Amino acid sequence: DTGVSQDPRHKITKRGQNVTFRCDPISEHNRLYWYRQTLGQGPEFLTYFQNEAQLEKSRLLSDRFSAERPKGSFSTLEIQRTEQGDSAMYLCASSSVEEGEQYFGPGTRLTVT
Amino acid sequence: KNQVEQSPQSLIILEGKNCTLQCNYTVSPFSNLRWYKQDTGRGPVSLTIMTFSENTKSNGRYTATLDADTKQSSLHITASQLSDSASYICVVLLPGGYNKLIFGAGTRLAVHP
Repeated sequence: DTGVSQDPRHKITKRGQNVTFRCDPISEHNRLYWYRQTLGQGPEFLTYFQNEAQLEKSRLLSDRFSAERPKGSFSTLEIQRTEQGDSAMYLCASSSVEEGEQYFGPGTRLTVT
Repeated sequence: KNQVEQSPQSLIILEGKNCTLQCNYTVSPFSNLRWYKQDTGRGPVSLTIMTFSENTKSNGRYTATLDADTKQSSLHITASQLSDSASYICVVLLPGGYNKLIFGAGTRLAVHP
């Protein structure tokens, strides 16, 4: 499968714990995006990388959230001191500069209890 | 105020019937308008992409229309199938920058036998 992959697919954690999600983009894509989607809503932009550089961050990305893409390939999204309001689907997408079309992964569903 | 509004929020139809989903947007200018299909627990998948100069675009049983004057788009599904049950999201791509997408909340379609 050469699409975008995300791991884990589901995560249940207790409030106050830290969680980390991973995204593996399509191999030749240099742009990578993170989105958050709550029930009944469309995805909301969180952050964007071009290669290893994080070029844009939404104000939704509080200081408890951090994203990295150290080698310009896979990316991680960490949430520290999780809150119940963090419960959502976290989607990753990738694209090439040339094509622009974003291809989405299957998402990681986070439940904070 | 949401820049991309969709109606209805949800819709139930019988297998074989046609349906039309609506999208009103206030984003201007934009590079293109897209319709995505999102199966439950999966990431969105692109169905159609239209620039502001295109009036209609088809992809199999899916036909999207765009009226740039009234800032409205529609997605028509012909001869619905059970596998069409999903959320359909209207998305606007902003020009320039990093391909920023503005998502509507989606219409949840259920096709019943």
